[in-house]
Amino acid sequence: DAKTTQPPSMDCAEGRAANLPCNHSTISGNEYVYWYRQIHSQGPQYIIHGLKNNETNEMASLIITEDRKSSTLILPHATLRDTAVYYCIVRFRSGNTPLVFGKGTRLSVIA
Amino acid sequence: GAVVSQHPSWVICKSGTSVKIECRSLDFQATTMFWYRQFPKQSLMLMATSNEGSKATYEQGVEKDKFLINHASLTLSTLTVTSAHPEDSSFYICSARDSMGGRGQETQYFGPGTRLLVL
Repeated sequence: DAKTTQPPSMDCAEGRAANLPCNHSTISGNEYVYWYRQIHSQGPQYIIHGLKNNETNEMASLIITEDRKSSTLILPHATLRDTAVYYCIVRFRSGNTPLVFGKGTRLSVIA
Repeated sequence: GAVVSQHPSWVICKSGTSVKIECRSLDFQATTMFWYRQFPKQSLMLMATSNEGSKATYEQGVEKDKFLINHASLTLSTLTVTSAHPEDSSFYICSARDSMGGRGQETQYFGPGTRLLVL
């Protein structure tokens, strides 16, 4: 699976949009981009995933660049409860391939 | 999204005893489940892949005789930490993938984790 690079930490003001970047310059054509987050002392929570088109759900939006070498997760109106470690993971669409976690980005939402 | 449960949520045991952790997929069937371990201030580390009806596949450096995995049904996998020692104290998290196809097949869902403290 391709490696990802994320900033170790970010701050965001409550109510503002949080934009979390991820670089995956070695991504291959069949690899998906997944985003998960882990709130302290909990299991990871699935947020969103995509292949090449932008995706949006009730939690967030995922913007993937045209060359697919980077992506941005957008939390449109961050709240204090969004404080967590956010993981960007690239993975093949294969039934038995597990997610491999990097260090992620620690997002702190500040009141 | 799909729900994965774990039991117990936390356990304290004496050194040398064995501890069993259960992982259940509540509203979907999972032919494959994964077990992770997380130490304080570190990321999740994959321990093993659990396949229903067959032997688990362990990651390099994970002792299969110490961490026994059983995946007896499509909704249940268990991890038994045998002869636990203080260095086994960690946060154990299971994960499952919906095996019924569709977009859900692409998504891996995680349990809430089990915190183990070995005294």
